[in-house]
Amino acid sequence: EAQVTQNPRYLITVTGKKLTVTCSQNMNHEYMSWYRQDPGLGLRQIYYSMNVEVTDKGDVPEGYKVSRKEKRNFPLILESPSPNQTSLYFCASSAVLTGGTEAFFGQGTRLTVV
Amino acid sequence: AQSVTQLDSHVSVSEGTPVLLRCNYSSSYSPSLFWYVQHPNKGLQLLLKYTSAATLVKGINGFEAEFKKSETSFHLTKPSAHMSDAAEYFCVVGGGYQKVTFGTGTKLQVIP
Repeated sequence: EAQVTQNPRYLITVTGKKLTVTCSQNMNHEYMSWYRQDPGLGLRQIYYSMNVEVTDKGDVPEGYKVSRKEKRNFPLILESPSPNQTSLYFCASSAVLTGGTEAFFGQGTRLTVV
Repeated sequence: AQSVTQLDSHVSVSEGTPVLLRCNYSSSYSPSLFWYVQHPNKGLQLLLKYTSAATLVKGINGFEAEFKKSETSFHLTKPSAHMSDAAEYFCVVGGGYQKVTFGTGTKLQVIP
C-alpha cells in the first residue's frame, strides 16, 4: 500500500530537548516536505526536498533542520524545541513530474513542547 | 508569487442540502489546484485536482469543483451534504515542481 509514515504520532517534550520526527514514503517519490498546521493558519511549509541531498527552506524554517540522505526518508529535527513549536506536523511526498502531481500526506505528529 | 484565499472559515449546512466552499487563488503561471479534506484527528486526503484539462473536475464522495480563470476561483460543491462530510477542507495551489500553498481551511458543519 502506498503510504507516508510518520513517527511518533504524539510527542510531549520539554524545552530544549532535541527531538527527531521521522518520515518515510514507499512510493519512490522525489519530492518530500514538512508542514506545520496551526489553527486559523492552515498548513505552512517548513522545509522541502527535491531529491536526495537537496533541501531548501519553506515559509517557516526557523528552529528546524532536515536531512535527505535516502530517497525514502526525510526526518525533521528540532535541535532545541520551544513552546512556540507546539503544533501538528505533517510530512508529504509527491512525484516531481509536471505541476498537478498531488501530495500524499502522513497521518500527522502532534507535538507539545512544555 | 501565488496565494490562496478560502473565503469562509466555517460553513454550516443541513444534511441533504447543497455544499459550497469558496476558494480564490492568485498565481503568476497556469496553476495546479487541489482540494484536500481533513477529518478530525486524521491526515489529509485528496478530494480532487485541476491540472488544465477539463474545467469541471469531479472528485471522490460526490464532490466537484469548477475552475474559472476569469474569476480566479476554484469553488468546491456537492449537491447533497452527508453527515460524514463534516470535516475541514483545504484549497491548495501548486504541486510537482511548483511551490505548494495552502489556504487557511474551511470547517464544514453538517446539521442533522
